[in-house]
Amino acid sequence: GQQLNQSPQSMFIQEGEDVSMNCTSSSIFNTWLWYKQDPGEGPVLLIALYKAGELTSNGRLTAQFGITRKDSFLNISASIPSDVGIYFCAGPEGGAGSYQLTFGKGTKLSVIP
Amino acid sequence: DAGVIQSPRHEVTEMGQEVTLRCKPISGHNSLFWYRQTMMRGLELLIYFNNNVPIDDSGMPEDRFSAKMPNASFSTLKIQPSEPRDSAVYFCASSFSGNTIYFGEGSWLTVV
Repeated sequence: GQQLNQSPQSMFIQEGEDVSMNCTSSSIFNTWLWYKQDPGEGPVLLIALYKAGELTSNGRLTAQFGITRKDSFLNISASIPSDVGIYFCAGPEGGAGSYQLTFGKGTKLSVIP
Repeated sequence: DAGVIQSPRHEVTEMGQEVTLRCKPISGHNSLFWYRQTMMRGLELLIYFNNNVPIDDSGMPEDRFSAKMPNASFSTLKIQPSEPRDSAVYFCASSFSGNTIYFGEGSWLTVV
């Protein structure tokens, strides 16, 4: 199946700093999804991207769908302690409308107050 | 609205015992997924159902694993017999014919 590579694997930042993480694939995706998993919880959808070049914001979060359709990034501005968690990118394995999502291994974010 | 509901939240069992994990999807959703999460392998899709019918079970690791969906509001994932390497978090998720998948809080399984 398709693989999604996320970087960095983990990061420690000071509260108030901006965060940037990305996700790359060896094959084209028509949809990119970003999920966040809080400790002890299930992943929750943050942002969905459906078009190459699309830039979408959700509060302090901004995500972009890369022009090549093989990458996406997620930025978090002015981080706060509750941003702690694991951020996953995901895309439908069988193309747009597919029910099977492939997930990256995640970026674990720690915020130091 | 109630989200995806899973039970048990935590289970510790001895090797060789049968484990049954339960899931109630979001009402109205027609697709249901079982995922397994481990440190080594991340989130892996085990099986998914569409309109209660298993569509793809290629992610089910072995014959010890089985899943059923007898109706639109209930699914089970069974491991028999369980082994220590089955220790993981098992997530159930549901969606309505699309890519937006909603996850439950997970069932944390430890097999000793």
